[in-house]
Amino acid sequence: EDKVVQSPLSLVVHEGDTVTLNCSYEVTNFRSLLWYKQEKKAPTFLFMLTSSGIEKKSGRLSSILDKKELSSILNITATQTGDSAIYLCAVERGSNYKLTFGKGTLLTVNP
Amino acid sequence: GAGVSQSPSNKVTEKGKDVELRCDPISGHTALYWYRQSLGQGLEFLIYFQGNSAPDKSGLPSDRFSAERTGGSVSTLTIQRTQQEDSAVYLCASSYGLETQYFGPGTRLLVL
Repeated sequence: EDKVVQSPLSLVVHEGDTVTLNCSYEVTNFRSLLWYKQEKKAPTFLFMLTSSGIEKKSGRLSSILDKKELSSILNITATQTGDSAIYLCAVERGSNYKLTFGKGTLLTVNP
Repeated sequence: GAGVSQSPSNKVTEKGKDVELRCDPISGHTALYWYRQSLGQGLEFLIYFQGNSAPDKSGLPSDRFSAERTGGSVSTLTIQRTQQEDSAVYLCASSYGLETQYFGPGTRLLVL
């Protein structure tokens, strides 16, 4: 059974701090790893990672995949209160389309 | 529309009643997914539709759950004889083929 574990489960930081969120996975026939940001109800897509060692970047957010370690990290630099959300990691099999999600990391950024 | 839409946004029902949740995917997206997010849990896959193929219902938790997708567009998730453990946020997502899934705002279901 596919498995995704995220850590930490929750994190509280001050504005301006840098945070690193972790995701490890066990999946048969790995296709991709995805990061989503969830505020209120709907997760919004952040990154899709398929190749090891290639950093994807969007503004203050960046992410990288390590297929050897079966893990990924999501970095947020110079955090802002608007970054407060649940960050979800999901893996996708190559043989099908279903995403298996981790439980998420609840990030709270205090002013 | 510009994104995936779902209705209602919130639904409160009594145990034993049936509920219908609606999803309107992004125009042109061929695939549609339903997920459930219970309190403190990750997103759980329920069912997947791709074009005219038979849906993958392997994630449905019981035979009280069913879903349809009419005309390859709008989908309805039906829960019969609701139980308190069905209380959750039900999220719909759509994608073009096997590309990135985009999520709707969800329906928060509370079964009293």
